[in-house]
Amino acid sequence: ETGVTQSPTHLIKTRGQQVTLRCSSQSGHNTVSWYQQALGQGPQFIFQYYREEENGRGNFPPRFSGLQFPNYSSELNVNALELDDSALYLCASSRQVRGSGNTIYFGEGSWLTVV
Amino acid sequence: QKEVEQNSGPLSVPEGAIASLNCTYSDRGSQSFFWYRQYSGKSPELIMFIYSNGDKEDGRFTAQLNKASQYVSLLIRDSQPSDSATYLCAVNEITGGGNKLTFGTGTQLKVEL
Repeated sequence: ETGVTQSPTHLIKTRGQQVTLRCSSQSGHNTVSWYQQALGQGPQFIFQYYREEENGRGNFPPRFSGLQFPNYSSELNVNALELDDSALYLCASSRQVRGSGNTIYFGEGSWLTVV
Repeated sequence: QKEVEQNSGPLSVPEGAIASLNCTYSDRGSQSFFWYRQYSGKSPELIMFIYSNGDKEDGRFTAQLNKASQYVSLLIRDSQPSDSATYLCAVNEITGGGNKLTFGTGTQLKVEL
């Protein structure tokens, strides 16, 4: 049990639509990241939020956006869905501890299929 | 562009044997390394992480790090059929107060009866 919960677990959208995925972080973990994992690939970093601000972004277009809320929960929004957006979307939670290591845990993921 | 390389496998080992999974990385400045296990259709599950050169043991798992050679490995002793999964190696980059993981494509492990 990682303490990171995501919803929905599975969803199907049509090309051109918009989708919102949600994540609830583990208590005490104030940084949340989102990853996209296509079939047969490793997860790819989308972006990260810390204290409700975007704090790093991977090679994803602006139609991928996010929010972090005061309770450290987070949303990933994807506009103008494309077929290639079909993937497992993972939320990862971690806690910054200066001078120490970090543990990074993933939620169960949201499977998105774009048709 | 930071890269993490893994042999995609499948790596087949008999039950009870030692499975050795390897990973190389391109950024010599990388400091911390994570191993995740991913069953088919599931999300990655953290096995262990390592920061210092040498070995780190946790139960049947041992992570080995050699920063000079830029490789990290995972040994699984007494392999069980339940260990059959894809193993993902990830390099952690600390960015402005956060963490960014760069993953390899994973190695598929099959433990045979």
